[in-house]
Amino acid sequence: QVQLQESGPGLVKPSQTLSLTCTVSGGSISSGDYYWSWIRQPPGKGLEWIGYTYYSGSTYSNPSLKSRITISVDTSKNQFSLKLSSVTAADTAVYYCATYYYASGTYPYWGQGTLVTVSS
Amino acid sequence: DIVMTQSPDSLAVSLGERATINCKSSQSALYSSNNKNYLAWYQQKPGQPPKLLIYWASTRESGVPDRFSGSGSGTDFTLTVSSLQAEDVALYYCQQCYSTMCSFGQGTKLEI
Repeated sequence: QVQLQESGPGLVKPSQTLSLTCTVSGGSISSGDYYWSWIRQPPGKGLEWIGYTYYSGSTYSNPSLKSRITISVDTSKNQFSLKLSSVTAADTAVYYCATYYYASGTYPYWGQGTLVTVSS
Repeated sequence: DIVMTQSPDSLAVSLGERATINCKSSQSALYSSNNKNYLAWYQQKPGQPPKLLIYWASTRESGVPDRFSGSGSGTDFTLTVSSLQAEDVALYYCQQCYSTMCSFGQGTKLEI
């Protein structure tokens, strides 16, 4: 079973870049079975899809965030990453990495999530 | 863009009673190539990531109790909990991906 673990700073200053990494275990990121995804949840609010990447490097992201997002994959480390630039307090959220299984259109596996707070 | 709208935002149901949550999508979830609706439901409890309950609109994920069922087609879908248990208190989200974008409903809070 695929397991995911997010890592990165819990506090980021406004206007700076948020950087998170998701480490995959129990499966290979190069298997081609999944798209590797980021989803966030502001405190007390709903889920917002950020984007996903394939092992080949193809990336798709939420149009509302697209200009600030970079999602990349490192197959040698079995990791994928998120960078979100020019952050504001509105970017404060729990950030989840998850697998997107295109055959069923679902997110079957999720990390536990990491809270990132944007504050000076 | 794809917009998912759930109703109601919150719902209080007595133990053992039926709970019904609705989800409406701005884009059809039906793929004519295989006649499947690519609509999923998730349950989220406090401090936990979402858990997949239902996919293809009506197929239960392995291990999900059979009191959970999904129905609907096209743009209108329903999640039903046939006999509410205390452990079903949670937030519920519908989700759909269309073209290269995914979206979640705003969530429905299910309480006793």
